[in-house]
Amino acid sequence: AQTVTQSQPEMSVQEAETVTLSCTYDTSENNYYLFWYKQPPSRQMILVIRQEAYKQQNATENRFSVNFQKAAKSFSLKISDSQLGDTAMYFCAFMKPGGGSNYKLTFGKGTLLTVNP
Amino acid sequence: EAGVTQSPTHLIKTRGQQATLRCSPISGHTSVYWYQQALGLGLQFLLWYDEGEERNRGNFPPRFSGRQFPNYSSELNVNALELEDSALYLCASSSDRVPGQPQHFGDGTRLSIL
Repeated sequence: AQTVTQSQPEMSVQEAETVTLSCTYDTSENNYYLFWYKQPPSRQMILVIRQEAYKQQNATENRFSVNFQKAAKSFSLKISDSQLGDTAMYFCAFMKPGGGSNYKLTFGKGTLLTVNP
Repeated sequence: EAGVTQSPTHLIKTRGQQATLRCSPISGHTSVYWYQQALGLGLQFLLWYDEGEERNRGNFPPRFSGRQFPNYSSELNVNALELEDSALYLCASSSDRVPGQPQHFGDGTRLSIL
């Protein structure tokens, strides 16, 4: 079974600075999908970024980028120019390559990020 | 475009009762997923419905069940409620015609067992 580990239960960063959230995973699959979701205090889970394992290029979405290290099974999220609205719980998630019953997401326990003014 | 909608927002029940949670997916999405977010346990996969059929279920007892209707909306039923069922229940939808599509989540239903 796949497992996702987020080793930082809580982090804080000053507004406008850069922060990196860590995520490691364990799988025997060669192809899969990785996601970062954020859950602000209002609680709706929002997709931040998506990475396909067969693509070597790291995904980016505006101020959000990932450092995907497939051999190390590492998938960290970098937030640049942090804003107060980035305060949220961030979840790393894994999805198998598809087919049959494989479309469920396996989540890490989350990292609570607080952006301080 | 309307997002995933869940009802009710909050549900208070007592032990032994039954709870029904509802979810409407994004228009065009045929797959609905249910997750339980319990304090200290993180997000755990409960059930996946696609095209009206249960495709996969997580490690939960049979008293957690559900169904998907022809319009792709879904219900999650929890029978014989126990205190540890208190959690936020999140519904997500996706279009699974292409592998690896992200799931879009609703606001959740907070189920409290007294």
